[in-house]
Amino acid sequence: QSALTQPASVSGSPGQSITISCTGTSSDVGGYNYVSWYQQHPGRAPKLMIYDVSNRPSGVSNRFSGSKSGNTASLTISGLQADDEADYYCSSYTSSSTLVFGGGTKVTVL
Amino acid sequence: EVQLVESGGGLVQPGGSLRLSCAASGFTFSTYAMTWVRQAPGKGLEWVSVISVSGGSTYYADSVKGRFTISRDNSKNTLYLQLDSLRADDTAVYYCAKPPGGVVASSIDYWGQGTLVTVSS
Repeated sequence: QSALTQPASVSGSPGQSITISCTGTSSDVGGYNYVSWYQQHPGRAPKLMIYDVSNRPSGVSNRFSGSKSGNTASLTISGLQADDEADYYCSSYTSSSTLVFGGGTKVTVL
Repeated sequence: EVQLVESGGGLVQPGGSLRLSCAASGFTFSTYAMTWVRQAPGKGLEWVSVISVSGGSTYYADSVKGRFTISRDNSKNTLYLQLDSLRADDTAVYYCAKPPGGVVASSIDYWGQGTLVTVSS
């Protein structure tokens, strides 16, 4: 049950695009199209931004998009805004019928 | 509106026990697998446990296996997590969470507000 690998931090200027990677194995990210991404502001519960690799829940801005290639999934935030500054976590369903999270990425808007 | 309201957190000594509850409303609780996730202070999210729709199947993170027990009462729309043999590194906010699909807990679309468990002497 090793955590998925995410960069500790990513930054960008307002209006720019950034991409956060999430690397796992063939037993999780690579084996299922069940990768999700969550946004968490300080002191708040996480919020689902992307599920099943690339699907956006109702109400989530289309500036957020997801993709996957092999054992690595990615979250792209385009048109970066100040309110996007938060921690982002990926998760994946696993071959053990469990869920595994990434270590989290702090996004800073410069 | 989906609501998940956790309770039961608090301060407990190492080796002690707590029982967390999660009252669910706004959806058909008995048709969804349910999950617990925790977050230690200043740390990332850690998946803890999942229980199937009927309660007949349960899975645990290695870090809590043998010490924590997940259960549910579909007649009361309530999810539970029994925490035994608690250790300092179990200190965290514990979130009750619901998947978007019913049977497979492949993601989480709703989270409770969390309940803080502090293990300290």
